[in-house]
Amino acid sequence: QSALTQPASVSGSPGQSITISCTGTSSDVGGYNYVSWYQQHPGKAPKLLIYDVSNRPSGVSNRFSGSKSANTASLTISGLQAEDEADYYCSSYTSSSTRQVFGGGTKLTVL
Amino acid sequence: EVQLLESGGGLVQPGGSLRLSCAAAGFTFNNYAMSWVRQAPGKGLEWVSAFSGSGGITYYADSVRGRFTISSDNSKDTLFLQMNSLRAEDTAVYYCAKAGTGATTRYFDLWGRGTLVTVSS
Repeated sequence: QSALTQPASVSGSPGQSITISCTGTSSDVGGYNYVSWYQQHPGKAPKLLIYDVSNRPSGVSNRFSGSKSANTASLTISGLQAEDEADYYCSSYTSSSTRQVFGGGTKLTVL
Repeated sequence: EVQLLESGGGLVQPGGSLRLSCAAAGFTFNNYAMSWVRQAPGKGLEWVSAFSGSGGITYYADSVRGRFTISSDNSKDTLFLQMNSLRAEDTAVYYCAKAGTGATTRYFDLWGRGTLVTVSS
């Protein structure tokens, strides 16, 4: 099962907004509203940011939002803050026998 | 406190075996699917395997199918990953992750701290 496609890196200045894309196929991203996003700081475990395309768990800032169009999902972070500098991963349920697939990850740099 | 705690990682030679454990606390363990997700040094996350809670259905990534076996002991709220025929490319931090809802792996809302597996001679 191929990984979902994410840009290797994105950057932005404090206060700006950035968007990270996550492209899959009709067997995963496009076929189900089961895309999730995770934030990972160096040496730490991943943290759930968004589930089922656009839902935020309690405790996650509303600066994080998710959306989907066809086979591409997106994570938008508004009002960038220094602590947002981290790696971000998308994931999707898939109809293949493996059931779950991750994107390759995107490193966010806050300038 | 709701938590997952992995153990069992270490250094093993190529071709060897290792058994990872993940002790769960603070939630009804057999109501949720559980997964193993790994991260090779400096690389991204890779989903490895899932166990569908009380249903007992298992799923595997192509890279580990036939070599790894996922199982659970509901009496001890513990998830296992038996890893055989280990290869250098299996070197990674292995995370245990809880599904956010029921018996499907739609998303993971709780992660352990991970346990490092190093396959080297």
